[in-house]
Amino acid sequence: AQTVTQSQPEMSVQEAETVTLSCTYDTSESDYYLFWYKQPPSRQMILVIRQEAYKQQNATENRFSVNFQKAAKSFSLKISDSQLGDAAMYFCAYSPGNTPLVFGKGTRLSVIA
Amino acid sequence: DVKVTQSSRYLVKRTGEKVFLECVQDMDHENMFWYRQDPGLGLRLIYFSYDVKMKEKGDIPEGYSVSREKKERFSLILESASTNQTSMYLCASSPQPSISFIQYFGAGTRLSVL
Repeated sequence: AQTVTQSQPEMSVQEAETVTLSCTYDTSESDYYLFWYKQPPSRQMILVIRQEAYKQQNATENRFSVNFQKAAKSFSLKISDSQLGDAAMYFCAYSPGNTPLVFGKGTRLSVIA
Repeated sequence: DVKVTQSSRYLVKRTGEKVFLECVQDMDHENMFWYRQDPGLGLRLIYFSYDVKMKEKGDIPEGYSVSREKKERFSLILESASTNQTSMYLCASSPQPSISFIQYFGAGTRLSVL
């Protein structure tokens, strides 16, 4: 069974600094999708960024970027210029294509002013 | 914007009660999902549906059932609520072509079973 591992239950970052959240996954598939979702306190979960495994170029969305290492099965999220509004639970998720997403257990990110 | 609405943010029920959690989406999405979220366990899939009247078991379907009579509505049913079903429940929807496509989430229902 596919698994997604987020090894950092909690992390903190100073405002305006950069932080990297780790995610590894286990799969025998060659083509699949990876996601990072953000769940702010008491608010809806939203998509942060999405990566297709067949694309070598790392996805970027404004201050959010990923480091996708397919051979290592690693998919880390980098948040640059951290803001107070970035404080949230972050979930890494994986899907091979036509099955539901498998989520990691999440990383709680605190942003210190 | 896609809107996924869960009927209740907070719900308190008694052990043995039949509980209905309702979810409605307004974007004509084919796929809908019910997850359970517990601290330290992340999101676990209970059931999903890829079409009206269709349903598939997820990872933890025991003690739950679902109903999808209309495309926009997906209901989660706890036939006889138990204390170990106290949790946050999240509904999500996504468009075709693939159920691995981007999911849109509701705000969640925090259920307490006493």
